[in-house]
Amino acid sequence: DIQITQSPSSLSASVGDRVTITCRASQTINRYLSWYQQKPGKAPKLLIYAASSLQSGVPSRFSGSSSGTDFTLTISTLQPEDFATYYCQQSYSTWAFGQGTKVEIK
Amino acid sequence: QVQLVESGGGVVQPGRSLRLSCAASGFSFRNYGMHWVRQAPGKGLEWVALIWYDGSNRDYADSVKGRFTISRDNSKSTLYLQMNSLRAEDTALYYCARRYCGGGSCYSNPEAFDIWGQGTMVTVSS
Repeated sequence: DIQITQSPSSLSASVGDRVTITCRASQTINRYLSWYQQKPGKAPKLLIYAASSLQSGVPSRFSGSSSGTDFTLTISTLQPEDFATYYCQQSYSTWAFGQGTKVEIK
Repeated sequence: QVQLVESGGGVVQPGRSLRLSCAASGFSFRNYGMHWVRQAPGKGLEWVALIWYDGSNRDYADSVKGRFTISRDNSKSTLYLQMNSLRAEDTALYYCARRYCGGGSCYSNPEAFDIWGQGTMVTVSS
């Protein structure tokens, strides 16, 4: 099975900060990785598809990139509504999520 | 608008059964594969099962294989999850989600979950 390691598990940041979250796959998964945002009491929301494709309606401050088996979600300028938990998800071999990263207010 | 609405959750004793439903609207349900994803209280997301758009193929997480059955009725735009031999570790919020393949074939494209319901809670407890 492909293992996905997401880091950090949590981070504290201020409005206006640049935030980076990483997922590392245990083997090559090409671009078969997506990113989601989940707010408390809500369903997850798809942000990034295929490593770097921004979903329609998602603000451009969100971006995704990849290098080998490392994938990164970047929030360029953190906004108050971005405080949430973020998950990566691979679809190269069945479907599996990372452990999640909680972005909290500093 | 595009919407998924789950129902059927509740409190059930270990070893018993429960059937969840997911009613779809606002899109052509028969053209999309559908997933169930669950989230235990305070925990992360866990994929549970997939059914192809026409019901021809199904896949399950090892944790539910042999106990859960995913099915669909395209005439009713409804997805189901039959859960048998329930265990305490099945306690979770169960979401249905639409299979997304970037507008292309799911054979050769990355996949994601682009539309989610609000979830239905299943509690397994004696």
